[in-house]
Amino acid sequence: SAVISQKPSRDICQRGTSLTIQCQVDSQVTMMFWYRQQPGQSLTLIATANQGSEATYESGFVIDKFPISRPNLTFSTLTVSNMSPEDSSIYLCSVEGTSYNEQFFGPGTRLTVL
Amino acid sequence: QKEVEQDPGPLSVPEGAIVSLNCTYSNSAFQYFMWYRQYSRKGPELLMYTYSSGNKEDGRFTAQVDKSSKYISLFIRDSQPSDSATYLCASNSGGYQKVTFGTGTKLQVIP
Repeated sequence: SAVISQKPSRDICQRGTSLTIQCQVDSQVTMMFWYRQQPGQSLTLIATANQGSEATYESGFVIDKFPISRPNLTFSTLTVSNMSPEDSSIYLCSVEGTSYNEQFFGPGTRLTVL
Repeated sequence: QKEVEQDPGPLSVPEGAIVSLNCTYSNSAFQYFMWYRQYSRKGPELLMYTYSSGNKEDGRFTAQVDKSSKYISLFIRDSQPSDSATYLCASNSGGYQKVTFGTGTKLQVIP
């Protein structure tokens, strides 16, 4: 299984600012995923990031709001832009395991927007 | 209607009890069914992974899928306080299709 770290683990931000979340994996992986987990709601996929190509966003999520970088096979960043209190959530990155259905998750970034 | 539905709980059981966690799903195309365990302030970890209908056992855990009724179950035998966590069911139709998660059921095993 992959070991995944995320930075920061938590942050409190002001409305209108942006935060970049980093995700580091201890092995090379093709696919990385970014999820949002809001209280009482299911894990929601924001986008899938493949190295060397543009991220693929799910319905309801746009690149201007959640730009993603994937510069190599072990690292990705998610930026939450122009934040509002509705963006307060836990953001998780994950990577594909031996199959697309098996995912390994990072510990998450707990974001609070005031 | 959500594609994967779960009772959020919380579910409290005494140590040693058999726990039954359940999900229903609506998408007939779903073929792969997963259970993740998430401890507080941690990311989810894959617990069980099954394909199509049937049972799969791994130690104290048994995953069961009934595609005819679109029902997914996770049974935990001899539950331990360390099993206290939120359990997420998940599913997809295979290939590179998005994995859809339930909201999770919070389980507390009381010593």
